[in-house]
Amino acid sequence: GAGVSQSPRYKVAKRGQDVALRCDPISGHVSLFWYQQALGQGPEFLTYFQNEAQLDKSGLPSDRFFAERPEGSVSTLKIQRTQQEDSAVYLCASSLDPGYYGYTFGSGTRLTVV
Amino acid sequence: GQQVMQIPQYQHVQEGEDFTTYCNSSTTLSNIQWYKQRPGGHPVFLIQLVKSGEVKKQKRLTFQFGEAKKNSSLHITATQTTDVGTYFCADQTGANNLFFGTGTRLTVIP
Repeated sequence: GAGVSQSPRYKVAKRGQDVALRCDPISGHVSLFWYQQALGQGPEFLTYFQNEAQLDKSGLPSDRFFAERPEGSVSTLKIQRTQQEDSAVYLCASSLDPGYYGYTFGSGTRLTVV
Repeated sequence: GQQVMQIPQYQHVQEGEDFTTYCNSSTTLSNIQWYKQRPGGHPVFLIQLVKSGEVKKQKRLTFQFGEAKKNSSLHITATQTTDVGTYFCADQTGANNLFFGTGTRLTVIP
């Protein structure tokens, strides 16, 4: 596609509920990243995929967070047993080659845990 | 751990005035990327700086990378209301991690 597509755009979850956030990167971009952005803060790295391989998940805040990209294109970020502190905007980005090109971010999913 | 601080945190300017945001790191920066995020929007890539002392221009925007690769700056000449947003520098610490600075929120008063 022309850009990085994320869905849903907004998600309200009750505390303890599981959520799944979807990212459809730009076609041909092998690198895919998930970031978490709290209100008024800069994006913080969560995890990185190169094709279907998850090469870095050091930013995932707890084992309740899980990401996958089984076929090397669409990725899903899953949060189990959501907590209030999980409320944030979750941004997905893709890049043709992160060493040489900037990242293209999606519009994000705003997660509110009530 | 790595810290990338930006100053100022907030800046209000009158339309037509110049604006500068500074990005400072406690460690040597690898590659610096600059992003703009409009209110309610997502980060949009502006430019990447790689070489020590590098200067790049995009119309009214001038980007600079320090000689020691520990700082960078973005200067906007004659701001316009369309320049409103938060400007982030980000250090590419490796192939798989973009470490964002704290950001500078720019408000332009018409």
